[in-house]
Amino acid sequence: ETGVTQSPTHLIKTRGQQVTLRCSSQSGHNTVSWYQQALGQGPQFIFQYYREEENGRGNFPPRFSGLQFPNYSSELNVNALELDDSALYLCASSPGGGQPQETQYFGPGTRLLVL
Amino acid sequence: AQSVTQPDIHITVSEGASLELRCNYSYGATPYLFWYVQSPGQGLQLLLKYFSGDTLVQGIKGFEAEFKRSQSSFNLRKPSVHWSDAAEYFCAVGAQGYQKVTFGTGTKLQVIP
Repeated sequence: ETGVTQSPTHLIKTRGQQVTLRCSSQSGHNTVSWYQQALGQGPQFIFQYYREEENGRGNFPPRFSGLQFPNYSSELNVNALELDDSALYLCASSPGGGQPQETQYFGPGTRLLVL
Repeated sequence: AQSVTQPDIHITVSEGASLELRCNYSYGATPYLFWYVQSPGQGLQLLLKYFSGDTLVQGIKGFEAEFKRSQSSFNLRKPSVHWSDAAEYFCAVGAQGYQKVTFGTGTKLQVIP
């Protein structure tokens, strides 16, 4: 069983640009969640996808959007980047329908720097 | 809305000493509680979780945590710390319905010889 992978590992963008981060979930995992972890903070929940549909969202503006594909891969898209978007972005997958008691398996993250 | 407080930003313990990391939560119903560990350059790894049953939960790597409803706490313990335990530890609470997990700000553990 392979783990959760994310690409790229690091990324530098300038304010106003758009970025796409990618995640490959463990095979068979129908749920993927995305988190933003600012420096010195805990991860903050962005949103969750189950079988290609968003089924939960945290306090993030609409310029944060996502996609989940049938091959267990997913994307996080951020438009109109702001300096405060600089953070480590984590994806996590779980095998079921995204209930809180399920174990989430986290990827190593993508570190985004916005200049 | 649920919230988590980890009062200790940084803790230093000697190798072989016991460890307790504090976590207090706020949630109206029975919470789903988690402890995760994050090593530098690594993603989060689940140490243990609680959502019902025995209030003393055993996890991986020799860690345990105790759920105390009266104190709204879920403290993490380990009887003897190893140098490889140096990392950042996050307590988290989940809510019924979907997997929105709220994390605390973390406690950074330093282990000295």
